[in-house]
Amino acid sequence: DSGVTQTPKHLITATGQRVTLRCSPRSGDLSVYWYQQSLDQGLQFLIQYYNGEERAKGNILERFSAQQFPDLHSELNLSSLELGDSALYFCASRGGQGYGYTFGSGTRLTVV
Amino acid sequence: GENVEQHPSTLSVQEGDSAVIKCTYSDSASNYFPWYKQELGKGPQLIIDIRSNVGEKKDQRIAVTLNKTAKHFSLHITETQPEDSAVYFCAASITGTASKLTFGTGTRLQVTL
Repeated sequence: DSGVTQTPKHLITATGQRVTLRCSPRSGDLSVYWYQQSLDQGLQFLIQYYNGEERAKGNILERFSAQQFPDLHSELNLSSLELGDSALYFCASRGGQGYGYTFGSGTRLTVV
Repeated sequence: GENVEQHPSTLSVQEGDSAVIKCTYSDSASNYFPWYKQELGKGPQLIIDIRSNVGEKKDQRIAVTLNKTAKHFSLHITETQPEDSAVYFCAASITGTASKLTFGTGTRLQVTL
């Protein structure tokens, strides 16, 4: 157990639908990151939050949004889902100024 | 932005042999270089990292070297074992509260008996 908790582990939904992925960071970590990993692909950075504020943005689609709540957990919202959104979505958390990113076990999203 | 290239994409070695994976990065301001191991169905697990003020770091059978001038870093695994079989990712970042990891494309390592 890495200390980063992601729910749900698996999600199957239809095209056009909306889903919410949840991440609880390691205790004390202020930064939360979201990454997307498509089949046989690397890890693509989506967005970072630090203590409730958006700090960095990657190639995140406009249909996707995220937020970090006062208790530091984060949610990634994916809407108007397309088949190509099927992927593993990982959350990572980090404490301090830039070292020691810890990843959760991911949410496998399947869009049918 | 930062771009990280990783080679080879696949690597097959016999048990007991050494494995070397190489990465290059583009942003000379990057100062943190972790390596992650990802097993099937699991999240990436940090196995070793190096900061830009260090040229080499070793942890048992795993070592990482960094050449800042050439902007490349490498992972060395000695005395490979079947449980080393996995996908390995290198990454680079500039530390700070707005930092993010940029990953290489991964190397699938297979250790055969």
